[in-house]
Amino acid sequence: EDQVTQSPEALRLQEGESSSLNCSYTVSGLRGLFWYRQDPGKGPEFLFTLYSAGEEKEKERLKATLTKKESFLHITAPKPEDSATYLCAVHPGDTSGTYKYIFGTGTRLKVLA
Amino acid sequence: DAMVIQNPRYQVTQFGKPVTLSCSQTLNHNVMYWYQQKSSQAPKLLFHYYDKDFNNEADTPDNFQSRRPNTSFCFLDIRSPGLGDAAMYLCATSSRRVGNQPQHFGDGTRLSIL
Repeated sequence: EDQVTQSPEALRLQEGESSSLNCSYTVSGLRGLFWYRQDPGKGPEFLFTLYSAGEEKEKERLKATLTKKESFLHITAPKPEDSATYLCAVHPGDTSGTYKYIFGTGTRLKVLA
Repeated sequence: DAMVIQNPRYQVTQFGKPVTLSCSQTLNHNVMYWYQQKSSQAPKLLFHYYDKDFNNEADTPDNFQSRRPNTSFCFLDIRSPGLGDAAMYLCATSSRRVGNQPQHFGDGTRLSIL
Protein backbone atom coordinates (compact mmCIF):
# COMPACT_ATOMS: atom_id res chain seq x y z
CA GLU A 1 0.00 0.00 0.00
CA ASP A 2 1.26 3.45 -0.90
CA GLN A 3 2.14 5.41 2.22
CA VAL A 4 3.79 8.65 3.30
CA THR A 5 5.03 9.17 6.86
CA GLN A 6 6.35 12.44 8.23
CA SER A 7 8.40 12.95 11.35
CA PRO A 8 8.50 14.47 13.81
CA GLU A 9 4.83 15.35 14.24
CA ALA A 10 5.80 18.58 15.96
CA LEU A 11 9.07 20.46 16.35
CA ARG A 12 9.99 23.49 18.42
CA LEU A 13 13.17 25.35 17.53
CA GLN A 14 14.86 28.44 18.81
CA GLU A 15 15.43 31.12 16.20
CA GLY A 16 18.65 30.25 14.38
CA GLU A 17 18.60 26.59 15.42
CA SER A 18 18.84 24.55 12.21
CA SER A 19 17.05 21.22 11.86
CA SER A 20 15.53 18.77 9.38
CA LEU A 21 12.07 17.38 8.75
CA ASN A 22 11.67 13.88 7.38
CA CYS A 23 9.26 12.44 4.84
CA SER A 24 9.57 8.71 4.22
CA TYR A 25 7.52 7.07 1.50
CA THR A 26 6.54 3.66 0.25
CA VAL A 27 5.06 3.88 -3.22
CA SER A 28 5.04 1.89 -6.41
CA GLY A 29 7.42 4.11 -8.29
CA LEU A 30 7.64 7.85 -7.90
CA ARG A 31 6.64 10.52 -10.39
CA GLY A 32 7.25 13.36 -8.00
CA LEU A 33 7.58 14.33 -4.35
CA PHE A 34 6.18 17.68 -3.25
CA TRP A 35 6.70 19.86 -0.20
CA TYR A 36 4.07 22.34 0.90
CA ARG A 37 3.84 24.88 3.68
CA GLN A 38 0.47 25.34 5.38
CA ASP A 39 -0.28 28.25 7.69
CA PRO A 40 -3.18 27.99 10.16
CA GLY A 41 -6.52 28.51 8.44
CA LYS A 42 -5.00 28.56 4.97
CA GLY A 43 -4.45 26.17 2.10
CA PRO A 44 -1.11 24.49 1.42
CA GLU A 45 1.41 26.63 -0.44
CA PHE A 46 3.67 24.85 -2.89
CA LEU A 47 7.40 24.89 -2.06
CA PHE A 48 9.32 22.26 -4.04
CA THR A 49 9.05 19.35 -6.42
CA LEU A 50 11.69 16.60 -6.45
CA TYR A 51 11.70 13.97 -9.16
CA SER A 52 14.66 11.66 -8.69
CA ALA A 53 17.05 10.43 -6.01
CA GLY A 54 19.94 12.81 -5.46
CA GLU A 55 18.01 15.87 -6.49
CA GLU A 56 18.11 18.99 -4.28
CA LYS A 57 16.12 22.24 -4.36
CA GLU A 58 16.67 25.41 -2.33
CA LYS A 59 14.61 28.45 -1.48
CA GLU A 60 15.81 30.97 1.08
CA ARG A 61 16.35 29.05 4.34
CA LEU A 62 14.83 25.84 3.02
CA LYS A 63 16.54 23.00 1.20
CA ALA A 64 14.82 19.81 0.10
CA THR A 65 16.64 16.58 -0.73
CA LEU A 66 15.48 13.23 -2.03
CA THR A 67 16.66 9.61 -1.73
CA LYS A 68 14.94 6.46 -2.94
CA LYS A 69 13.06 6.09 0.34
CA GLU A 70 12.80 9.52 1.91
CA SER A 71 13.05 13.25 1.59
CA PHE A 72 14.38 15.81 4.00
CA LEU A 73 13.44 19.43 4.37
CA HIS A 74 16.39 21.19 5.94
CA ILE A 75 15.74 24.52 7.63
CA THR A 76 18.83 26.64 8.14
CA ALA A 77 18.81 29.39 10.78
CA PRO A 78 15.00 29.47 11.00
CA LYS A 79 13.05 32.59 11.87
CA PRO A 80 9.69 32.85 13.65
CA GLU A 81 7.98 33.44 10.31
CA ASP A 82 8.99 29.92 9.26
CA SER A 83 6.49 28.57 11.81
CA ALA A 84 3.91 26.52 9.92
CA THR A 85 2.90 22.96 9.14
CA TYR A 86 5.03 21.40 6.43
CA LEU A 87 3.29 18.78 4.30
CA CYS A 88 4.90 16.20 2.07
CA ALA A 89 3.02 14.55 -0.80
CA VAL A 90 3.99 12.00 -3.42
CA HIS A 91 2.62 11.20 -6.83
CA PRO A 92 3.03 7.44 -7.38
CA GLY A 93 4.49 6.11 -10.60
CA ASP A 94 1.68 3.61 -11.16
CA THR A 95 1.15 3.36 -14.89
CA SER A 96 -2.61 2.96 -14.58
CA GLY A 97 -2.94 6.70 -14.82
CA THR A 98 -3.52 7.37 -11.17
CA TYR A 99 -4.20 10.94 -10.33
CA LYS A 100 -3.63 10.57 -6.63
CA TYR A 101 -1.31 12.62 -4.55
CA ILE A 102 -0.66 10.85 -1.26
CA PHE A 103 -0.15 13.21 1.66
CA GLY A 104 1.61 12.80 4.96
CA THR A 105 0.07 14.26 8.11
CA GLY A 106 2.65 17.01 8.29
CA THR A 107 5.19 18.39 10.74
CA ARG A 108 4.04 21.34 12.84
CA LEU A 109 7.05 23.64 13.20
CA LYS A 110 7.22 26.36 15.82
CA VAL A 111 10.21 28.72 15.81
CA LEU A 112 10.66 30.74 18.97
CA ALA A 113 12.20 34.21 18.97
CA ASP B 1 -1.90 36.75 -10.28
CA ALA B 2 -3.24 33.39 -11.35
CA MET B 3 -4.82 31.65 -8.43
CA VAL B 4 -7.40 29.36 -6.86
CA ILE B 5 -10.17 31.16 -4.98
CA GLN B 6 -12.59 29.54 -2.58
CA ASN B 7 -15.79 31.07 -1.27
CA PRO B 8 -16.85 31.54 1.36
CA ARG B 9 -13.84 31.36 3.68
CA TYR B 10 -16.09 30.44 6.57
CA GLN B 11 -19.45 28.72 6.36
CA VAL B 12 -21.78 27.89 9.21
CA THR B 13 -24.77 25.68 8.56
CA GLN B 14 -27.29 23.74 10.57
CA PHE B 15 -27.29 19.99 10.94
CA GLY B 16 -29.01 18.55 7.86
CA LYS B 17 -29.22 21.85 5.95
CA PRO B 18 -27.67 21.66 2.46
CA VAL B 19 -24.63 23.76 1.79
CA THR B 20 -22.59 24.57 -1.32
CA LEU B 21 -18.94 25.56 -1.39
CA SER B 22 -17.40 27.12 -4.48
CA CYS B 23 -13.99 27.18 -6.10
CA SER B 24 -12.75 29.16 -9.08
CA GLN B 25 -9.40 29.16 -10.80
CA THR B 26 -7.58 31.44 -13.21
CA LEU B 27 -4.77 28.96 -13.91
CA ASN B 28 -6.67 27.27 -16.75
CA HIS B 29 -5.79 23.89 -15.26
CA ASN B 30 -7.83 20.98 -16.48
CA VAL B 31 -7.77 19.02 -13.22
CA MET B 32 -9.64 20.18 -10.11
CA TYR B 33 -9.75 18.39 -6.77
CA TRP B 34 -11.76 18.61 -3.58
CA TYR B 35 -10.16 17.61 -0.29
CA GLN B 36 -11.47 17.42 3.26
CA GLN B 37 -8.96 18.26 5.98
CA LYS B 38 -9.56 17.84 9.68
CA SER B 39 -7.32 19.17 12.40
CA SER B 40 -3.78 17.69 12.35
CA GLN B 41 -4.72 15.29 9.58
CA ALA B 42 -3.61 14.89 6.00
CA PRO B 43 -5.94 16.24 3.33
CA LYS B 44 -8.38 13.51 2.29
CA LEU B 45 -9.31 13.39 -1.39
CA LEU B 46 -13.07 13.41 -1.97
CA PHE B 47 -13.17 13.59 -5.78
CA HIS B 48 -11.56 15.16 -8.77
CA TYR B 49 -12.39 16.29 -12.30
CA TYR B 50 -10.24 15.82 -15.35
CA ASP B 51 -11.92 18.34 -17.63
CA LYS B 52 -15.57 17.22 -17.29
CA ASP B 53 -14.68 13.65 -16.39
CA PHE B 54 -15.79 13.16 -12.77
CA ASN B 55 -13.98 10.73 -10.48
CA ASN B 56 -15.32 9.83 -7.06
CA GLU B 57 -13.21 8.24 -4.33
CA ALA B 58 -14.63 4.92 -3.16
CA ASP B 59 -14.94 6.09 0.44
CA THR B 60 -16.50 9.49 -0.28
CA PRO B 61 -19.94 9.55 1.34
CA ASP B 62 -22.96 9.83 -0.95
CA ASN B 63 -23.82 12.97 0.97
CA PHE B 64 -21.08 14.76 -0.97
CA GLN B 65 -21.65 15.77 -4.57
CA SER B 66 -19.76 17.96 -7.00
CA ARG B 67 -20.38 19.97 -10.14
CA ARG B 68 -18.02 21.51 -12.64
CA PRO B 69 -19.99 23.69 -15.07
CA ASN B 70 -16.88 24.95 -16.87
CA THR B 71 -13.09 24.90 -16.68
CA SER B 72 -12.91 27.71 -14.16
CA PHE B 73 -15.50 26.72 -11.59
CA CYS B 74 -16.16 23.74 -9.35
CA PHE B 75 -18.71 23.30 -6.57
CA LEU B 76 -18.96 20.99 -3.59
CA ASP B 77 -22.49 20.23 -2.41
CA ILE B 78 -23.13 18.62 0.95
CA ARG B 79 -26.72 17.49 0.90
CA SER B 80 -27.33 16.80 4.57
CA PRO B 81 -24.36 17.88 6.66
CA GLY B 82 -23.68 15.96 9.84
CA LEU B 83 -21.50 16.97 12.76
CA GLY B 84 -18.70 14.80 11.38
CA ASP B 85 -18.57 16.91 8.23
CA ALA B 86 -17.19 19.91 10.10
CA ALA B 87 -13.77 20.43 8.55
CA MET B 88 -11.68 22.56 6.23
CA TYR B 89 -12.53 21.93 2.58
CA LEU B 90 -9.72 22.54 0.15
CA CYS B 91 -9.93 22.98 -3.60
CA ALA B 92 -6.83 22.30 -5.67
CA THR B 93 -5.87 22.31 -9.33
CA SER B 94 -3.12 20.78 -11.40
CA SER B 95 -2.25 21.09 -15.04
CA ARG B 96 -2.13 17.38 -15.75
CA ARG B 97 -3.93 14.34 -14.45
CA VAL B 98 -1.00 12.01 -14.60
CA GLY B 99 2.43 13.27 -14.00
CA ASN B 100 4.67 15.24 -11.85
CA GLN B 101 3.02 18.62 -11.57
CA PRO B 102 2.38 20.18 -8.17
CA GLN B 103 -1.11 21.01 -7.02
CA HIS B 104 -2.18 24.58 -6.40
CA PHE B 105 -4.52 25.08 -3.47
CA GLY B 106 -7.05 27.67 -2.48
CA ASP B 107 -7.21 28.95 1.08
CA GLY B 108 -10.07 26.64 1.92
CA THR B 109 -13.54 26.96 3.37
CA ARG B 110 -13.89 26.26 7.08
CA LEU B 111 -17.27 24.54 7.55
CA SER B 112 -18.96 24.52 10.94
CA ILE B 113 -22.13 22.56 11.72
CA LEU B 114 -24.54 23.73 14.41
